[in-house]
Amino acid sequence: RKEVEQDPGPFNVPEGATVAFNCTYSNSASQSFFWYRQDCRKEPKLLMSVYSSGNEDGRFTAQLNRASQYISLLIRDSKLSDSATYLCVVNNTGFQKLVFGTGTRLLVSP
Amino acid sequence: NAGVMQNPRHLVRRRGQEARLRCSPMKGHSHVYWYRQLPEEGLKFMVYLQKENIIDESGMPKERFSAEFPKEGPSILRIQQVVRGDSAAYFCASSGSKAAAVQETQYFGPGTRLLVL
Repeated sequence: RKEVEQDPGPFNVPEGATVAFNCTYSNSASQSFFWYRQDCRKEPKLLMSVYSSGNEDGRFTAQLNRASQYISLLIRDSKLSDSATYLCVVNNTGFQKLVFGTGTRLLVSP
Repeated sequence: NAGVMQNPRHLVRRRGQEARLRCSPMKGHSHVYWYRQLPEEGLKFMVYLQKENIIDESGMPKERFSAEFPKEGPSILRIQQVVRGDSAAYFCASSGSKAAAVQETQYFGPGTRLLVL
């Protein structure tokens, strides 16, 4: 079983739609959680960290459910520029290495 | 403030040759990480280095791969006797200088795409 699992998609949505991605992680010792964005053939870029209380950054909302070991990302009012692969990333206490999911691909169409 | 720099951006090697990938961390960062992304797969951790020290190499293949981060100059990921299966994107990331137990944001370089013929 992969340590971080994501639905690979693609999710095809029209502009203006709301879309949600989920991710599950298997290591209950995971302490830090992130969503990264990766455009085609580019490097991953941090989108947002995910906190236990949930957090929002503009059109993006991230939630963490430690009991069920899943993380979610909600994107409201989708833009064409949101088209990318969204990577769910976890980190375990005391270890600096990030563990990446394989990513969920989002395609936003006009 | 320049970001993480990697060179070359593209590297073509024939089977059996050596590949050297370089990474210069963001200014002020002393922690460097290497990740590999195989086609259609997620990024996989390879190695974590600080200046002159390998901290965690649990993701490094046992043979042919080595990494260093000397006191002066960039971090180097070296692959000896490359095989076709080494074809991938190799990303370097860097973070700041807090204690190892504190998770700091890792910033990624543009990557080196290695193609082995």
